[in-house]
Amino acid sequence: NAGVTQTPKFQVLKTGQSMTLQCAQDMNHEYMSWYRQDPGMGLRLIHYSVGAGITDQGEVPNGYNVSRSTTEDFPLRLLSAAPSQTSVYFCASSPELDSPLHFGNGTRLTVT
Amino acid sequence: GIQVEQSPPDLILQEGANSTLRCNFSDSVNNLQWFHQNPWGQLINLFYIPSGTKQNGRLSATTVATERYSLLYISSSQTTDSGVYFCAVERNRGSTLGRLYFGRGTQLTVWP
Repeated sequence: NAGVTQTPKFQVLKTGQSMTLQCAQDMNHEYMSWYRQDPGMGLRLIHYSVGAGITDQGEVPNGYNVSRSTTEDFPLRLLSAAPSQTSVYFCASSPELDSPLHFGNGTRLTVT
Repeated sequence: GIQVEQSPPDLILQEGANSTLRCNFSDSVNNLQWFHQNPWGQLINLFYIPSGTKQNGRLSATTVATERYSLLYISSSQTTDSGVYFCAVERNRGSTLGRLYFGRGTQLTVWP
C-alpha cells in the first residue's frame, strides 16, 4: 500500500490563481480530511469527509472547496489564491470516524 | 470548538533521559490521538487512546478522560525522538463530530 499520497510536494502561485491539491489513499478508508499547518499554530482542519459524496466544513474552510466523488480521492481546490493561504497542507485518512489517522507527506504552498 | 493545551511547549533532553508530555482538553472527548512530526515534516500516528493506557516500545500514553488530560511518556530518549509531538481530540457530542482539533505541540530536542 502506498498509504496517503499528496501531489504536488511544492507549489508557488500568484495571487488570484486557482489550483487543486490532490490527495489519494489506497487503504479503502472512509474518513478523509485536509489540514493546514502554520508556524506555531498546530494543525487546523479545513474540510473533511466521512464517505464518498459527503463533505463538511472544518475550522478554517473559507477560500477552499472539496468534493468526494470516490472513496480514494479527496482533492482540495483553491479558487482564488491569497497570500494568507501560504502554508503546508496535509491530507489524512482513517478507516472510519474515531480511528487512527494517517497523514500524507504534505504540500508546501507559497502564494506571492 | 474544544480547547487543547499542550505542555511544555519546548523540551530539551540528553539522550537516555525520560520525559512526560501533557495534553489538557476542555470538554468530553471520544477520540484522542498522539502524533510525532519528525524534522522532515512527516506526521506519524503514535497512539489512538481515548481512554486508558497503551504502550509501544519506549513510548506509552495514558488518557484520563474524566479529568480531561492525557500524558505521553518517552523513556530512554534517543536523538530520533526529536521533533514535535501533537495531541488531537474530537468532542463526543454536538455539531463537531468528525472534527479533530490539534494542540500547538511540544517541541522536543534530544542531544547525544
